[in-house]
Amino acid sequence: QQQVKQSPQSLIVQKGGISIINCAYENTAFDYFPWYQQFPGKGPALLIAIRPDVSEKKEGRFTISFNKSAKQFSLHIMDSQPGDSATYFCAASMRSGAGSYQLTFGKGTKLSVIP
Amino acid sequence: NAGVTQTPKFQVLKTGQSMTLQCAQDMNHEYMSWYRQDPGMGLRLIHYSVGAGITDQGEVPNGYNVSRSTTEDFPLRLLSAAPSQTSVYFCASRELAYNEQFFGPGTRLTVL
Repeated sequence: QQQVKQSPQSLIVQKGGISIINCAYENTAFDYFPWYQQFPGKGPALLIAIRPDVSEKKEGRFTISFNKSAKQFSLHIMDSQPGDSATYFCAASMRSGAGSYQLTFGKGTKLSVIP
Repeated sequence: NAGVTQTPKFQVLKTGQSMTLQCAQDMNHEYMSWYRQDPGMGLRLIHYSVGAGITDQGEVPNGYNVSRSTTEDFPLRLLSAAPSQTSVYFCASRELAYNEQFFGPGTRLTVL
């Protein structure tokens, strides 16, 4: 059972455009929703994260929009740049015993920003 | 700080061989974990640990063993490699009280 569904699988955006990646989750116990950015040959790195008590979080050109009732969240990249070309993973986690948080990842979106 | 380090970076094995993927972190993080990344599958949790001497299974633990004798190290063992274990393996760590997870650079493993 896939608990976090991510779309699209790949995305091509022109420089200066807006990139939008969507995720949907099933488990209402999730209480932390991060986005990770991964460049080829590198490990994923935390980009931005949100908790369900807010509907939006913005950091520079990156914004997470969160819709608790629809169990959906999305990443918006404004003024997309070629340097943003990477694979993006959404994820979700909840507490599970002894203070541990298990991250469940979406399958990833490969973003290509073309000049 | 070196962060999370992994060795080797690349490895080719034959079916049935065994090997250990090494992971170390110098951030004094209690929580460490192993993921495998396959095309179109995202990152799937193999095993995790919340401290020295404590380990537990993740989503895809079969064929892998782990142990945690120190806070710094969390090796992943393949006892009898199979072609289905061809993947990129990432180690990650974080503080127990915080969600941000730090990933290593990965080990690309091919099993022939």
